[in-house]
Amino acid sequence: KNEVEQSPQNLTAQEGEFITINCSYSVGISALHWLQQHPGGGIVSLFMLSSGKKKHGRLIATINIQEKHSSLHITASHPRDSAVYICAVGFRNQFYFGTGTSLTVIP
Amino acid sequence: NAGVTQTPKFQVLKTGQSMTLQCAQDMNHNSMYWYRQDPGMGLRLIYYSASEGTTDKGEVPNGYNVSRLNKREFSLRLESAAPSQTSVYFCASRDRAGAGTEAFFGQGTRLTVV
Repeated sequence: KNEVEQSPQNLTAQEGEFITINCSYSVGISALHWLQQHPGGGIVSLFMLSSGKKKHGRLIATINIQEKHSSLHITASHPRDSAVYICAVGFRNQFYFGTGTSLTVIP
Repeated sequence: NAGVTQTPKFQVLKTGQSMTLQCAQDMNHNSMYWYRQDPGMGLRLIYYSASEGTTDKGEVPNGYNVSRLNKREFSLRLESAAPSQTSVYFCASRDRAGAGTEAFFGQGTRLTVV
């Protein structure tokens, strides 16, 4: 059972490209989270959202509650954006995680 | 501004050995979690503690025990390690369970069982 599905699994982009990562979920949620994990590193929360859109620097996250879908956009991608991006949904006492999207940005 | 601190960062165990992974948070959060991360799989919940004094099983609790020592600390114990427990373990905390609150993660513990 996969409550959270992400796509694509892997993504390679040229520096400067606009990137979109998608997340679909099947449970009713209290909030959706986008997380970032650098190779060998810890996990950092990028966004938490329950409606609409949030922006932080070059990162934009949107959510459509009716369609149970969220997107993470990166504008003007940079090699330092190379990381795994994980979608997670909060439901009752727990989180459910996607398997992550591995992004590589080539200079 | 430590956030969530996990120790150790790396560990190699022999099959059958025991060890305890430590986790502490300094944000006065009520809820704490232990996850394991394996290649090709999302983070999976081992145990969680919704509040001090309570613990509950998650998706993959077999082979593990936990202790919520106080509000700050939540430890994970492997009584008899097995190669299948080779994984990266993450501790997380948030203000309260069941609500849209942000989660904070530790840096992870990379455990190898040989």
